[in-house]
Formats: sequence, structure tokens, C-alpha cells
Amino acid sequence: ELKVEQNPLFLSMQEGKNYTIYCNYSTTSDRLYWYRQDPGKSLESLFVLLSNGAVKQEGRLMASLDTKARLSTLHITAAVHDLSATYFCAVDGDTDKLIFGTGTRLQVFP
Amino acid sequence: DSGVTQTPKHLITATGQRVTLRCSPRSGDLSVYWYQQSLDQGLQFLIQYYNGEERAKGNILERFSAQQFPDLHSELNLSSLELGDSALYFCASSVGLGRTNTEAFFGQGTRLTVV
Repeated sequence: ELKVEQNPLFLSMQEGKNYTIYCNYSTTSDRLYWYRQDPGKSLESLFVLLSNGAVKQEGRLMASLDTKARLSTLHITAAVHDLSATYFCAVDGDTDKLIFGTGTRLQVFP
Repeated sequence: DSGVTQTPKHLITATGQRVTLRCSPRSGDLSVYWYQQSLDQGLQFLIQYYNGEERAKGNILERFSAQQFPDLHSELNLSSLELGDSALYFCASSVGLGRTNTEAFFGQGTRLTVV
């Protein structure tokens, strides 16, 4: 059974600082997705990573995928308050269903 | 707006009752997924339909059932409701199977409160 783990579960960081969220998964998959969720809201797609070595960047966020290590990272550069949210990674299971990680709740403070 | 529509947005009902949640996928998407999000269980995959057929089952209780209709909209039926069923229920859709990109787009969710 595919398992997806994220760490840390909770991240409190100061504005302007950098940090990385890690996503590990248990079985082979070439497809990994990152989503953002604001409290009580829906999930918004951030990045689609479809091959080993894929790197995508949008603003202060950069995501990468290493399929050999079964690891994806979401790097935050010079955090701002607007980035406060919960971030989920999701891995494509064997029937194209997405299995989600536990989520990382990010709080950025001044 | 993701293009996935869920109704109702909020639902309050009593224990033992039965409710139906409805989802209309994005135009052209054949796959529909249902997820349950609760504080203690995170985001749990319940069930997936593809073009009217059940494709995959996750941690879905026997009291829950779903279907996808010929027009591709889907309904999730929850019966004999318990307090622990209170959660946010999301529907998501994607283009379908066998594609390189199976990115799923989520609806706004239905918040179910069982009292």
C-alpha cells in the first residue's frame, strides 16, 4: 500500500527566512503533485512533477522530484505571510488515484 | 475556480440520518474522486470513478456508497450517520486514466456536521 509522509507537520517561520518541506513515498511513482490549502478552503494545485529530476518554480516556491530516492521537496525562499497555509504533497497510486501526505501547516510570522 | 462544483456547501444533520453529496466534474474530465478530510485522519481517499465505473476504493465505510452517472456527475451517499462522520468531503476530477498528467482539481467541499 502506498504511503506518503511529509515533514515537518508544522512549521513556524519568520518572514524572510528559507525552509524546505519534505515528502517521502513508499512505492515507485513518477507523478507527484503539490497542493496548497487555506483553512476551511479547497485544495489548490501548485506544482505537477512528472519525471525524475523535475523542478518547477513559482514565485517563492520551488518543487523538485527525485524518483530514485522517492523524495520530493518544496523549498520556500524568503517567506512572506501570504504563504501561510497547509501544503500537501500527493503521489499517484496504481490506479491514478492520488494518495496525500499528512500535510505541513506553515505559519509565517513577522 | 477549479471548475468542479459541489453541493451543498454545508450540511447539518442528526445521527442515524442519510445524506447525499453531489459533484459535477470539470468539463471533459472522466475521473471523479471523493476524499474525506477530518482533523484526526487527514485527507483520506474514499473512492474513484472513471467514466461511470468504479475504479478504486480506499478507506470507504460500508455505510457509504457512491456512483457516477452517464452525464459524469457523481453522488456520495452517507447513511446511518455517526458523530465521527463529521468532516469536509471533497470531490476532485481529472482528465482520466492512462494519461501522463493525472492532476486532480478539487471542488470547494461539503462540510458535513452530524449532531
